[in-house]
Amino acid sequence: DAKTTQPTSMDCAEGRAANLPCNHSTISGNEYVYWYRQIHSQGPQYIIHGLKNNETNEMASLIITEDRKSSTLILPHATLRDTAVYYCIVRVNAGNNRKLIWGLGTSLAVNP
Amino acid sequence: EAQVTQNPRYLITVTGKKLTVTCSQNMNHEYMSWYRQDPGLGLRQIYYSMNVEVTDKGDVPEGYKVSRKEKRNFPLILESPSPNQTSLYFCASSFSSISYEQYFGPGTRLTVT
Repeated sequence: DAKTTQPTSMDCAEGRAANLPCNHSTISGNEYVYWYRQIHSQGPQYIIHGLKNNETNEMASLIITEDRKSSTLILPHATLRDTAVYYCIVRVNAGNNRKLIWGLGTSLAVNP
Repeated sequence: EAQVTQNPRYLITVTGKKLTVTCSQNMNHEYMSWYRQDPGLGLRQIYYSMNVEVTDKGDVPEGYKVSRKEKRNFPLILESPSPNQTSLYFCASSFSSISYEQYFGPGTRLTVT
């Protein structure tokens, strides 16, 4: 079962920041939070990951609460090409397999 | 260009006819994995491989086989496909199982009638 909960869908105006929330209240201390996105039915694309600290890269920023029970992915200036399903994922340690537990994601629509 | 390729991209077949979906990566990745994606269920891992000749079951391995004879290739085999294996399949790879980023192929849409 997925360890994360996300809104089913969100809208954002082009050029504005998109803030996608995620709850992961049962996350363990050594489990990372990952964000991927999937455009149409293409292969998922990695965006960013984090453990405790906030992270930023060329695509997005990840804000993790101090208690690690939730996080927010921020797309600072959303474009139409950012319309996709965004997955917040917890990576668990399953023996020697570092497994990604996928939920159903948030469908983000960026509107002109 | 660094990529994961899958073939075929689309396949319609009949129950019981053996098929193979190929997956190849050109990034010298050790870790490879197969997922299936179904509406309302998200991505679920079928099999994974830590390295050549090392494979193991994921969450939904029933009805599937894999092999890893070469580092770059990780084919998914359906010996006797059934309609409940109709799905969108993705192959993914990463440098290792603890690597932060997995690279996904474009997907194979399989329909079993």
